[in-house]
Amino acid sequence: GAVVSQHPSWVICKSGTSVKIECRSLDFQATTMFWYRQFPKQSLMLMATSNEGSKATYEQGVEKDKFLINHASLTLSTLTVTSAHPEDSSFYICSASLTSTLYGYTFGSGTRLTVV
Amino acid sequence: GNSVTQMEGPVTLSEEAFLTINCTYTATGYPSLFWYVQYPGEGLQLLLKATKADDKGSNKGFEATYRKETTSFHLEKGSVQVSDSAVYFCALKSSGDKLTFGTGTRLAVRP
Repeated sequence: GAVVSQHPSWVICKSGTSVKIECRSLDFQATTMFWYRQFPKQSLMLMATSNEGSKATYEQGVEKDKFLINHASLTLSTLTVTSAHPEDSSFYICSASLTSTLYGYTFGSGTRLTVV
Repeated sequence: GNSVTQMEGPVTLSEEAFLTINCTYTATGYPSLFWYVQYPGEGLQLLLKATKADDKGSNKGFEATYRKETTSFHLEKGSVQVSDSAVYFCALKSSGDKLTFGTGTRLAVRP
């Protein structure tokens, strides 16, 4: 079946540094990828939608200059948290879609980011 | 806007007990409804889905019925196992590709 690999699974970084999270579709080409953020005991909140070769569409309230998303190929999307601060600490999850259908969502295992 | 409300956890049950995790939603139009499960250290997996009113989704002994009149999609299983311990997310999709998730409910099943 479709597999999405997300890396790293956890990362600790110093305040002010940048962190890159990768999301790869291993056995299929993902036309659309989604990035979510989850705070403790809260919902997965959609941050942005990216289509291969075009700019990401960010949800209201998400700082596009802080959360840089690149979807340069059909198998790889990256999320870079720039100049991270402790309030950026969270659980980030990516999801890939084959053809933007109801049944085509496959999720990564998530990345726990801790900014100290 | 769309929203999903599901019961807070954790839910702790003994093996073979009956499980219900409540989920209600608010949405425009006619959404499709989903239950996702996240096992420890893994990504979210689609557990079951229903695309229209009165549809029943089922998988691995879990069931949920799309109730338009009560805007609910409660998850049930007649006899839980230790291996069912996970976090369960209710979600809906109306227009576009976006999924709206509930907060997740952690289930712990004791032997």
